[in-house]
Amino acid sequence: QAVVTQEPSLTVSPGGTVTLTCGSSTGAVTSGHYPYWFQQKPGQAPRTLIYDTSSKHSWTPARFSGSLLGGNAALTLSGAQPEDEAEYYCLLSYGGARLFGGGTKLTVL
Amino acid sequence: EVQLVESGGGLVQPGGSLRLSCAASGFTFSSYWMHWVRQPPGKGLVWVSRISSDGSTTTYADSVKGRFTISRDNAKNTLFLQMNSLRAEDTAVYFCVRDWGMDVWGQGTTVTVSS
Repeated sequence: QAVVTQEPSLTVSPGGTVTLTCGSSTGAVTSGHYPYWFQQKPGQAPRTLIYDTSSKHSWTPARFSGSLLGGNAALTLSGAQPEDEAEYYCLLSYGGARLFGGGTKLTVL
Repeated sequence: EVQLVESGGGLVQPGGSLRLSCAASGFTFSSYWMHWVRQPPGKGLVWVSRISSDGSTTTYADSVKGRFTISRDNAKNTLFLQMNSLRAEDTAVYFCVRDWGMDVWGQGTTVTVSS
């Protein structure tokens, strides 16, 4: 079974830019993996920010964007806000199955 | 209001069974594929299973294949997860999720497998 990898933790300054990545043990992540990105704050259900690599929901703040970068899926946060401090998970599709990454704890400090 | 409400969680002994339900409201349930996702205490998200809108296609994570069964009753707007041969590692909060960009999540129901 494939393994989906994320940075365990990252720190960004308020107003700064940070890129979270999502890799696959099977090789390069492509649009065919339909990458998703989720935000989860303590005690809350996850919230989907990005689907199908770069598509946003109506509630996704404009400062978040999704892309493919260097063989990985990427979530870029431009202009970090204190409320962006959270755990971020990616999800990749492998045929019918899905796999989550282990999550990235993002600190805004 | 579009809503998913899970129920059926609880404490069960290893080897036991439990059936989770997810009641959908505020949208045409029969038009959407659905997922179950779980989160062990203090750990990350784990995808469990998905089902097509008409129930004819199902997919499972390797960790639950042969033990869990996803199903749905479109007349009652309800998604199910039948969990058999439960193990301690199945202890988690279980979420149901609508598959339209995975845009709607329930609040979860807690399953604890312990003797």
